[in-house]
Amino acid sequence: RKEVEQDPGPFNVPEGATVAFNCTYSNSASQSFFWYRQDCRKEPKLLMSVYSSGNEDGRFTAQLNRASQYISLLIRDSKLSDSATYLCVVQAGTALIFGKGTTLSVSS
Amino acid sequence: NAGVTQTPKFQVLKTGQSMTLQCAQDMNHEYMSWYRQDPGMGLRLIHYSVGAGITDQGEVPNGYNVSRSTTEDFPLRLLSAAPSQTSVYFCASSYSGMGYEQYFGPGTRLTVT
Repeated sequence: RKEVEQDPGPFNVPEGATVAFNCTYSNSASQSFFWYRQDCRKEPKLLMSVYSSGNEDGRFTAQLNRASQYISLLIRDSKLSDSATYLCVVQAGTALIFGKGTTLSVSS
Repeated sequence: NAGVTQTPKFQVLKTGQSMTLQCAQDMNHEYMSWYRQDPGMGLRLIHYSVGAGITDQGEVPNGYNVSRSTTEDFPLRLLSAAPSQTSVYFCASSYSGMGYEQYFGPGTRLTVT
């Protein structure tokens, strides 16, 4: 099975902290890359797509390194509402491969 | 728009029973898919459809059937439920395939005893 590996955490950080999540994938032919967010007992929702040039959306920055088959997500100035599980997702052919997720808990 | 809807939200089955999980979307998306999510594992693709009348198998299709008679609906049938099928099932749709944002339904929590 093509794999996507993530550090499961949990990451416990105070409000205002910067936290980084890493993800590696095994299929070098992977085409598209995403970060999804999943709240407890809810459905996953797209946080952001990840592009080779890197991309930023407010406090969130995603990076892709195709040579190392590595994806990252940086969250700056963490908020309580950022507490969730973050799923690294990679498209390989006709399949989306989901990582097991990294759990973030932000405390006041 | 309601987005992606799933029914039921919860279901308990006995081993050997059959049932259909319903999924509908009102976004006119061509691509729809079914996933299962188990503790300690990532979401795994069961079946998918690229349009009405076209379906294909994903990573874990055994024990499940699908059909796509309309753009809006994509039901998942459990033929003879087994305890190994205890899971949370998510239906998803997207504009056109895997490379686009997947919109997930709220999920169906299934327990097979």
